[in-house]
Amino acid sequence: DTGVSQNPRHKITKRGQNVTFRCDPISEHNRLYWYRQTLGQGPEFLTYFQNEAQLEKSRLLSDRFSAERPKGSFSTLEIQRTEQGDSAMYLCASSLGASTGELFFGEGSRLTVL
Amino acid sequence: AQSVTQPDIHITVSEGASLELRCNYSYGATPYLFWYVQSPGQGLQLLLKYFSGDTLVQGIKGFEAEFKRSQSSFNLRKPSVHWSDAAEYFCAVASVYNQGGKLIFGQGTELSVKP
Repeated sequence: DTGVSQNPRHKITKRGQNVTFRCDPISEHNRLYWYRQTLGQGPEFLTYFQNEAQLEKSRLLSDRFSAERPKGSFSTLEIQRTEQGDSAMYLCASSLGASTGELFFGEGSRLTVL
Repeated sequence: AQSVTQPDIHITVSEGASLELRCNYSYGATPYLFWYVQSPGQGLQLLLKYFSGDTLVQGIKGFEAEFKRSQSSFNLRKPSVHWSDAAEYFCAVASVYNQGGKLIFGQGTELSVKP
């Protein structure tokens, strides 16, 4: 399968714990995006990378959130000191440049904070 | 600020009937417009997009959408719905000036199909 891959698919954690999600984009795609989706809502933009550079971060991305894309390939999204409000589906998407605007999404990583 | 409104949270149609999902956007200039579909357990998939030119765009799975600048709308249509079309549909907008391709999504419309 050459699509966008996200792991883990599901994560249940206790409040205050740290969690990390990984995203492997389509191999030739240089742009990688993170979105968050809560129940009954559309995806909300969190951040994006062009190659290894993080070019934009949403105000939704508090200091407890950090994203990296160290070699311009896979990316990680870490949430420190999780809160119940962090419970959501975290979506990763990739694209080849930005001109077409077509994003290819992974299946998402669902986080439940107890 | 850009925003997208999908007025219908849930729509039910009979199989074989026509479908129209509404989308209104708020943006100061001509945006890039998209419709994505999300089926259970699957990632969002692009149905169609509008950048410029012909205001009626064709997409995959027999869907089409029409851009109406005067109404700030980009409604999605399908002449005959199939049971496999049951899913969540999202309208999205991107700034033509945003080279990042960042999308602003509506809250979605859930489509149910009756046999």
